[in-house]
Formats: sequence, C-alpha cells, structure tokens
Amino acid sequence: SQQGEEDPQALSIQEGENATMNCSYKTSINNLQWYRQNSGRGLVHLILIRSNEREKHSGRLRVTLDTSKKSSSLLITASRAADTASYFCATLLSGGYNKLIFGAGTRLAVHP
Amino acid sequence: DVKVTQSSRYLVKRTGEKVFLECVQDMDHENMFWYRQDPGLGLRLIYFSYDVKMKEKGDIPEGYSVSREKKERFSLILESASTNQTSMYLCASSLGSGQGLVGDGYTFGSGTRLTVV
Repeated sequence: SQQGEEDPQALSIQEGENATMNCSYKTSINNLQWYRQNSGRGLVHLILIRSNEREKHSGRLRVTLDTSKKSSSLLITASRAADTASYFCATLLSGGYNKLIFGAGTRLAVHP
Repeated sequence: DVKVTQSSRYLVKRTGEKVFLECVQDMDHENMFWYRQDPGLGLRLIYFSYDVKMKEKGDIPEGYSVSREKKERFSLILESASTNQTSMYLCASSLGSGQGLVGDGYTFGSGTRLTVV
C-alpha cells in the first residue's frame, strides 16, 4: 500500500503563477522529501523536511509539514515553463531501514 | 558529473530471458535501491542493500534478485523475464551507515526502460 498520496494528480498553470501540491501519509515518519522527475528521466531530490520541522525553504520552493494531520505541501512560487515535471513526495518511516516510500506523483504543466 | 549510472537507457528482452540491470555509484554511499515505476503506481521498491553483500526485500521482490559484491555496484536480476516486468527501473543510492539511520536525499540514475516481448 502507498504511504504517500499526492493531490492533485495533475495541475496546469500559467507561468508566473504559484503551484501547490499536497501529500498525505499514513504512519509516523522520520522525514519527508520531495522529488522532481522530468519526462522519462530519473528523480532529482528537491528538499527534505524532518518530522520536528514545520516549514522549510529552498529558492522558490516552500515545504510545510503538519505531523498532526500527516500531510505536507510543496509550493513553487513564480513558476516557469522549466518547472514542468512530475513531483513526488516520499516518506522515510520512523525506525526500521533507511528506505523511502514514494507516492504516485503530481504532474505539473506550466504554460508560457 | 554523473553520480549514479545505469548501464542501459533502453532494453528489449524476450520472455524467459535472464536480464541483468547494472547500477554504479561513485559517491561512496552505503545504501542502494532498486525501484520500478509504472503509470499511476508511482515508484515501488523491489530490493535494497545497506552494505556490501547485504540485501533486503522491498515491497515487490517476486521475480527479482539482486547482487552487491562491491560497494559501488548494485545489480538487479530478472531470473526469467516476463511481460509484466515491462517497466521503468530506477536505481538510487543514499548515505547511511546502517539500519534505521537517517540519510540525505537519494540520488537517482536516469533509469532503464525495459520492454519484455
């Protein structure tokens, strides 16, 4: 069963707009990570937020984490056509092995 | 500047063939992983390894095996390829010196798109 579920499945916006993607998960986590995948390529790590953190920034990216609701959001501000990609959240579970569980992803299309 | 290298970008194999997918990382990472990615299902973990000669089953190990004889190389083996193993295969590596330790983000290879006919 999937630990992380992204919402929406697909998002279409214009350049300059903000894009928000959400992720919900089921069990306690050590950290949550967001990745980007350009079409047909490998995933690229974007940002990691630990369970004791609530918000993190990296350039135009802002990630929030609400452990009480078991949810996270990724905000991309001032989007560009080059941001067009699939975005995945992944959770590292508390305890156990160091392995990430990925959701199904959100497909983002940014139109010029 | 390539850090995780997967030996083939595209591969076409026949049903019943033994298939080897190779992955090499140059970052001295302890952990290595094999995922498969299918539309609508995201990434599913097949096998992972946290040390040389160590391996652990992921969520969907059936029909696969792995080998890690050297720290930098992690091979995925399809013992007898079947059409339902047609997929994108992604290798990744991460820091972490043992079980249950928090690593940084994963570094992924570019993927191998395998078609079994």
